[in-house]
Amino acid sequence: DVKVTQSSRYLVKRTGEKVFLECVQDMDHENMFWYRQDPGLGLRLIYFSYDVKMKEKGDIPEGYSVSREKKERFSLILESASTNQTSMYLCASSPTSGRIVYEQYFGPGTRLTVT
Amino acid sequence: DAKTTQPPSMDCAEGRAANLPCNHSTISGNEYVYWYRQIHSQGPQYIIHGLKNNETNEMASLIITEDRKSSTLILPHATLRDTAVYYCIVRVAGLAGRDDKIIFGKGTRLHILP
Repeated sequence: DVKVTQSSRYLVKRTGEKVFLECVQDMDHENMFWYRQDPGLGLRLIYFSYDVKMKEKGDIPEGYSVSREKKERFSLILESASTNQTSMYLCASSPTSGRIVYEQYFGPGTRLTVT
Repeated sequence: DAKTTQPPSMDCAEGRAANLPCNHSTISGNEYVYWYRQIHSQGPQYIIHGLKNNETNEMASLIITEDRKSSTLILPHATLRDTAVYYCIVRVAGLAGRDDKIIFGKGTRLHILP
């Protein structure tokens, strides 16, 4: 079974802190994604990566950056946390068969609270 | 915006088959139907996907109508652990990228009753 793990299930940080969220997948997937999920807004894509050292902005990249130095690891960085970044953060990965992307596998999520 | 319509909630008795409908009347020829579920406080879980043929895996069956305008997810023997929000999604299986992002609608909240 595909396993996507995230470094923390719950995290509380103060406004202005730099926050690192880490995601690791064990299935050698090429593609990795970071979403946030908020009530009434559904899933929103922050950043994604389709290869090591490759990254592209999603729909809401402001205030975030990412790093993918190894294929299995995709990190989300909040440069200076703000209260409006309080959310559930979800990491996902997916395989690429040829150039077709199929199902995405999600991690358990990190519920981040910024006070 | 989500391109699917699902009932907001459903009940099913434990041990019975749960049949979750989804309407996707504007689906395009190159769009797949995907089903995910999300158990409370957990990340979404992929269940199954299909293009036009019916599909079955260890979790569920997916029945797609011939005109592809609707589909039904079947959990053959529902258990209490199947209580979750079920999302039906249509998307093109294409290049990884912004267009491949998952857009969840409101889904169906399935309650399995003991």
